[in-house]
Amino acid sequence: GDSVTQMEGPVTLSEEACLTINCTYTATGYPSLFWYVQYPGEGLQLLLKATKADDKGSNKGFEATYRKETTSFHLEKGSVQVSDSAVYFCALLPIGANNLFFGTGTRLTVIP
Amino acid sequence: DAGVIQSPRHEVTEMGQEVTLRCKPISGHNSLFWYRQTMMRGLELLIYFNNNVPIDDSGMPEDRFSAKMPNASFSTLKIQPSEPRDSAVYFCASSLRVMTDTQYFGPGTRLTVL
Repeated sequence: GDSVTQMEGPVTLSEEACLTINCTYTATGYPSLFWYVQYPGEGLQLLLKATKADDKGSNKGFEATYRKETTSFHLEKGSVQVSDSAVYFCALLPIGANNLFFGTGTRLTVIP
Repeated sequence: DAGVIQSPRHEVTEMGQEVTLRCKPISGHNSLFWYRQTMMRGLELLIYFNNNVPIDDSGMPEDRFSAKMPNASFSTLKIQPSEPRDSAVYFCASSLRVMTDTQYFGPGTRLTVL
């Protein structure tokens, strides 16, 4: 069935370090892919998305490229800030579906 | 727009009591989702509605859980009777169209059942 496998955390980085959070998926055809972010005490917010192969989603310095050949959608940022500390969720919307499949979330802590 | 509104933000109750969580979706959105988040299971979809009609409730854990959407601007998730294992953060989300690809989440209700 459709599923998302996400890199387990927690991840702790120093400010200005590079970030990669891995995400791979299982689905038929070309699903839509998302990264959501959850800041402490808040609900999830859409960070970026990609709806077809080779699309690159980007927002707030974060990027992720939809790789059909490797069924991946890894989240990257070149220089993290303390304010990026949050839990990041990879998610999948299968073709024809209306509900998202979420990964387990990866907690990122950025220290000054 | 104020976004998705949930109430209460925090609820503490005793085992056996009835709990009702409320959600107001973004105006004009046609789909509404209820999720539960726990440390053990992560984020789970409980049920979702389209045009006020429940479409998939396969994620509802037991008969103790029920959800309604009497109109386009209001939904409830009820647990009766509540149990300690129901303690979690419950999120409501809404989206614009049936097959839209962006869900907007509310701030959540943190439920503690003693």
